Amino acid sequence: GQSLEQPSEVTAVEGAIVQINCTYQTSGFYGLSWYQQHDGGAPTFLSYNALDGLEETGRFSSFLSRSDSYGYLLLQELQMKDSASYFCAVSQAGTALIFGKGTTLSVSS
Amino acid sequence: EPEVTQTPSHQVTQMGQEVILRCVPISNHLYFYWYRQILGQKVEFLVSFYNNEISEKSEIFDDQFSVERPDGSNFTLKIRSTKLEDSAMYFCASSESRLAGTEQYFGPGTRLTVT
Repeated sequence: GQSLEQPSEVTAVEGAIVQINCTYQTSGFYGLSWYQQHDGGAPTFLSYNALDGLEETGRFSSFLSRSDSYGYLLLQELQMKDSASYFCAVSQAGTALIFGKGTTLSVSS
Repeated sequence: EPEVTQTPSHQVTQMGQEVILRCVPISNHLYFYWYRQILGQKVEFLVSFYNNEISEKSEIFDDQFSVERPDGSNFTLKIRSTKLEDSAMYFCASSESRLAGTEQYFGPGTRLTVT
């Protein structure tokens, strides 16, 4: 079967750093994406890792270790607007994204 | 900025009825998708579509589902005989290419409620 595991909830304060982990077990793996979703709205793309290592995009960074079937999303200098659900998603041979169950991030002042 | 649009935003239907959900993908995109999200759960892939045919489909996408690109701009998902368990948010998405990791642009969704 296929599974992606991520924490269900994370809380943090403004200005802090938070890491959302994702472990995966899938048949076939091309890369790991991260999507953000506010209050059931449209998921929006944040990042994609195909190779091991860290990818940085502004306040957000994403990491992948293919040998450990593990990745994480790192959010720095948290802002209230970062409160949302964050989904890791695996790309396999086709175009389908296989999503994890999502992590709800709550940022407080 | 180009965006994916979906209509209607909310559809209420009775069990057994047919529904058609409509999407207008971003104009220069060639790959189209439907996903669904049952309330409080993860986003689930239904189907991908390219060059007027289905590229890939999940186990959820059974014979009661169909997709169509009736003209140059619209992309539709039809559910032939709705069931209570079809109640969910349905997202359409599009992308420029089929390369793994290509950003998929999601529409705002259609909330389908089956009573």
